[in-house]
Amino acid sequence: ETGVTQTPRHLVMGMTNKKSLKCEQHLGHNAMYWYKQSAKKPLELMFVYNFKEQTENNSVPSRFSPECPNSSHLFLHLHTLQPEDSALYLCASSQASGPETQYFGPGTRLLVL
Amino acid sequence: DQQVKQNSPSLSVQEGRISILNCDYTNSMFDYFLWYKKYPAEGPTFLISISSIKDKNEDGRFTVFLNKSAKHLSLHIVPSQPGDSAVYFCAARDIMDSNYQLIWGAGTKLIIKP
Repeated sequence: ETGVTQTPRHLVMGMTNKKSLKCEQHLGHNAMYWYKQSAKKPLELMFVYNFKEQTENNSVPSRFSPECPNSSHLFLHLHTLQPEDSALYLCASSQASGPETQYFGPGTRLLVL
Repeated sequence: DQQVKQNSPSLSVQEGRISILNCDYTNSMFDYFLWYKKYPAEGPTFLISISSIKDKNEDGRFTVFLNKSAKHLSLHIVPSQPGDSAVYFCAARDIMDSNYQLIWGAGTKLIIKP
């Protein structure tokens, strides 16, 4: 248990669906991250929030929409996804967006049909 | 083009022996390197790190070596235990990136044979 929880753990959705991934951290951290991990590929950083402000958007398609209502919660809203978006989506948090160790949640395994 | 490469997708080692996991990088501005370990159905967990001003960092059974001239780092686990079976990710931080974004390798799956 790392102090970072993600729900749901598994999600299957059609290309026309809208769904949201949720992440919550209980570590008192100020920075939160969304990563995408595809099979046999490096983790890809998608978004960074530092003190609830988005500080990084790594050219992520607009069908992925992040939301950070407070320092403890992070959402990833999904709509009109493509099959190639199927992957493991990992949330992480750290004390601040910087050289701090990141703590990861267990991930949401997403399958887009 | 990947800036952090883990060229071995998998590695099998006998229990009790030494496991050596390798990582190569291309960006000379990386100043901090980390190793994470990932079990199935769990997120990666931090294992050990090293600053570019050092060439070795040791923590129990885990030692990370950094060779800056070769742009190469390695993780040594000795002795290897069955619980070490996991995927190991190498990550690096770019000192020029104001967000200190971590650049990740693709991972190496370590299998410890009893």
